[in-house]
Amino acid sequence: ELKVEQNPLFLSMQEGKNYTIYCNYSTTSDRLYWYRQDPGKSLESLFVLLSNGAVKQEGRLMASLDTKARLSTLHITAAVHDLSATYFCAVDLAGNMLTFGGGTRLMVKP
Amino acid sequence: NAGVTQTPKFRILKIGQSMTLQCAQDMNHNYMYWYRQDPGMGLKLIYYSVGAGITDKGEVPNGYNVSRSTTEDFPLRLELAAPSQTSVYFCASSYNRNTEAFFGQGTRLTVV
Repeated sequence: ELKVEQNPLFLSMQEGKNYTIYCNYSTTSDRLYWYRQDPGKSLESLFVLLSNGAVKQEGRLMASLDTKARLSTLHITAAVHDLSATYFCAVDLAGNMLTFGGGTRLMVKP
Repeated sequence: NAGVTQTPKFRILKIGQSMTLQCAQDMNHNYMYWYRQDPGMGLKLIYYSVGAGITDKGEVPNGYNVSRSTTEDFPLRLELAAPSQTSVYFCASSYNRNTEAFFGQGTRLTVV
């Protein structure tokens, strides 16, 4: 059974600081997705990582995938308040069946 | 281009009642999914479909049924509502397994 674990579950940080969210998964997969969810809203796709060593960046967010370590990271650079949200990673194991992590709730304080 | 549209947005059901959650996409996506999200948790896959006429169970299918008669529509049916089915339900679609899924706005269901 595939397990996807994120840490930390909750992150409070100040504007301007850097931090990394980690996503570990238990079974080999080369497809990993990052999503953002604002309170009471739907999920918004951030990154699609499809191979070992994949790195993608959008604004202050950068995601990477290490399939050998079964680890993905979401790095936040110089955080701003607008980044406050819950971030989910999701792993595609068997094709078409995304297994989600429990989410990381990020609060960025002025 | 509306994307993924779910109806209704909110619903309160009594125990034992039935209902259908509607989901439609206009992006000509082959793959469609139903997830549920319990408070403070990640999403769990209920059912998915890789094309019209093809459906398969996900992680938590018990108490639900689906059909996919057209590419556009993927309704989720609850036959005998139970309090454990109180959740937010998200429908999603994707072109294939290598592309990201686009999510609908969700249906907040309460069973009392």
